[in-house]
Amino acid sequence: NAGVTQTPKFRVLKTGQSMTLLCAQDMNHEYMYWYRQDPGMGLRLIHYSVGEGTTAKGEVPDGYNVSRLKKQNFLLGLESAAPSQTSVYFCASSYSFTGQGTHVSNQPQHFGDGTRLSIL
Amino acid sequence: AQSVTQLGSHVSVSEGALVLLRCNYSSSVPPYLFWYVQYPNQGLQLLLKYTTGATLVKGINGFEAEFKKSETSFHLTKPSAHMSDAAEYFCAVSKRGSSNTGKLIFGQGTTLQVKP
Repeated sequence: NAGVTQTPKFRVLKTGQSMTLLCAQDMNHEYMYWYRQDPGMGLRLIHYSVGEGTTAKGEVPDGYNVSRLKKQNFLLGLESAAPSQTSVYFCASSYSFTGQGTHVSNQPQHFGDGTRLSIL
Repeated sequence: AQSVTQLGSHVSVSEGALVLLRCNYSSSVPPYLFWYVQYPNQGLQLLLKYTTGATLVKGINGFEAEFKKSETSFHLTKPSAHMSDAAEYFCAVSKRGSSNTGKLIFGQGTTLQVKP
């Protein structure tokens, strides 16, 4: 059971280039999230998805786009990379209904190992 | 709006000493509360969570945390630090309510150093 897998693990881009980060989960979770982690700022939510075919903006969505065409995959795209997007990106997934009283808000999120992205 | 404050970006303890990592939240309604740990070059792992019931919550690796509503706090403790506890620790909150989408608000993180 792999859990949450992120690809690639490392990437260096030049300003203006585009790329897509892939997140895949094998836990049949409904909800998926993309965060960025910057020193001294914790993790901040970029975009999230509450189910296949749905996406929504988080706290810091500018410069990013996402898609969730399949339940198990959540893609994060950078259309025109900027140095301010240098960060570590984490994907997380959550929530399978396990009975009465189960809500996504009280379920833990399962994280991938991150993608370290540098933009020159 | 909800917010989370972790007091102290770096905490250093000796092996065998008490670990205390502080977390305070700001919310009109007590949220669900989580502690996550991040080892170098890895993702976050859940240590423990408080949802309802007993306010002292036990987690993995000997950690525990106590929810104190009057102090809006959820401090993480471990009686005796081990070298393997060296990591970054994040406190996070999630808004209660069945319509919530599970979004987490994270604190800034506290790096725990354990000295031999």
